[in-house]
Amino acid sequence: QVQLVESGGGVVQPGKPLTLSCAASGFTFSSFGMHWVRQAPGKGLEWVARISYDGSEKTYADSVKGRFTVSRDNSKNSLFLQVNSLRPEDTAVYFCAKSPMFYYDSSGYYVHWGQGILVTVSS
Amino acid sequence: QSALTQPPSVSGSPGQSVTISCTGSRSDIGLYDRVSWYRQPPGTAPQLIIYDVSDRPSGVPDRFSGSKSGNTASLTISGLQAEDEADYYCCSYRGDSAVVFGGGTKLTVL
Repeated sequence: QVQLVESGGGVVQPGKPLTLSCAASGFTFSSFGMHWVRQAPGKGLEWVARISYDGSEKTYADSVKGRFTVSRDNSKNSLFLQVNSLRPEDTAVYFCAKSPMFYYDSSGYYVHWGQGILVTVSS
Repeated sequence: QSALTQPPSVSGSPGQSVTISCTGSRSDIGLYDRVSWYRQPPGTAPQLIIYDVSDRPSGVPDRFSGSKSGNTASLTISGLQAEDEADYYCCSYRGDSAVVFGGGTKLTVL
């Protein structure tokens, strides 16, 4: 079955970088677009970024554009989110999520999510 | 991109029906029939319960139904059960392979 497991979170000082990873299994990773969604403590969900199945297309939320970089390694079934210049407002649980359809990222919904990883930005 | 607008909380007694509204704009809900709804118990990942406005994934009871009119989508839960208590989020496609979520609604079963 589909499994998505995030890692790389923790406590980070403001302004420092961090790279989150999402290990995928149970499906042909290289055929699906992938997304990152975050949730600040006690707050709602916020879509963060998306990468196409082959990594050729990337889209970001305005709130993270220029600071976050999404990438993937299809040979290792892995998704990444490089987070630079962290701010306290980036404190959140970060989820990776799989697009539901082969090669198509515009369905607008997610069936499979990871369990999430907490990033805390604090000095 | 502004979040979709949901009521912070709704409540109902077992067996009753509740409806959660989700208001967007002509750029998201009003433009695309790609509204989805998620249920999120505390400390867990969101679970898809409605997609494409009114379709249910396999395994989701038909007590859950979705609809849309103009820039507003709605989730109706009929025959409320204690285990329905959770946070509910709406979501709409907004173009460019991106989505926008609602602020979430806490459902309390009295």
